[in-house]
Amino acid sequence: DQQVKQNSPSLSVQEGRISILNCDYTNSMFDYFLWYKKYPAEGPTFLISISSIKDKNEDGRFTVFLNKSAKHLSLHIVPSQPGDSAVYFCAARTYNQGGKLIFGQGTELSVKP
Amino acid sequence: DAGVIQSPRHEVTEMGQEVTLRCKPISGHDYLFWYRQTMMRGLELLIYFNNNVPIDDSGMPEDRFSAKMPNASFSTLKIQPSEPRDSAVYFCASTNLRGNGELFFGEGSRLTVL
Repeated sequence: DQQVKQNSPSLSVQEGRISILNCDYTNSMFDYFLWYKKYPAEGPTFLISISSIKDKNEDGRFTVFLNKSAKHLSLHIVPSQPGDSAVYFCAARTYNQGGKLIFGQGTELSVKP
Repeated sequence: DAGVIQSPRHEVTEMGQEVTLRCKPISGHDYLFWYRQTMMRGLELLIYFNNNVPIDDSGMPEDRFSAKMPNASFSTLKIQPSEPRDSAVYFCASTNLRGNGELFFGEGSRLTVL
């Protein structure tokens, strides 16, 4: 029972273009969503988050959009850079579960020069 | 401040052997999580602790897996006996739920069971 799903295992984009990573969830009780970035042989690191009461959060080149009615969120990276090449994980939590994060399968982004 | 520290970074063992993975959380963090990364399921939560007490172990796959947190600065994940399908990267993470409540991950322990 995968409550958080990232249906694209990989994505390849050209440097300077937009990268769009997608995530779907099934649990309507999720109230907070986070994106993590993971380089090989390293642990995941936090990238950006969004509360369920918002529909957009922006931090520099990174923007996360939340569509609650569709139970869908996306991460936009503009412009994409080769250093953005990594695995991106979408995660979600509910307020009453003590910080427990449910992660998706991850999407491997490759940004080509 | 040091991050989450895991050991060993790599472990190669034979089927049937006992494996112990170790984790030191960030000082002051009262939540500790064990995750397993696989291609099929991504980052899968195994168990988490709050103030050294196990809160949710529903993700522990079988009785062969056990986890302990004897004090605020140390936790272990044990697999006994190990099987080839346990091969994965195991991550430990901690948080104090302040701010956005992000989890801070260690670098992981890559386990290979032959």
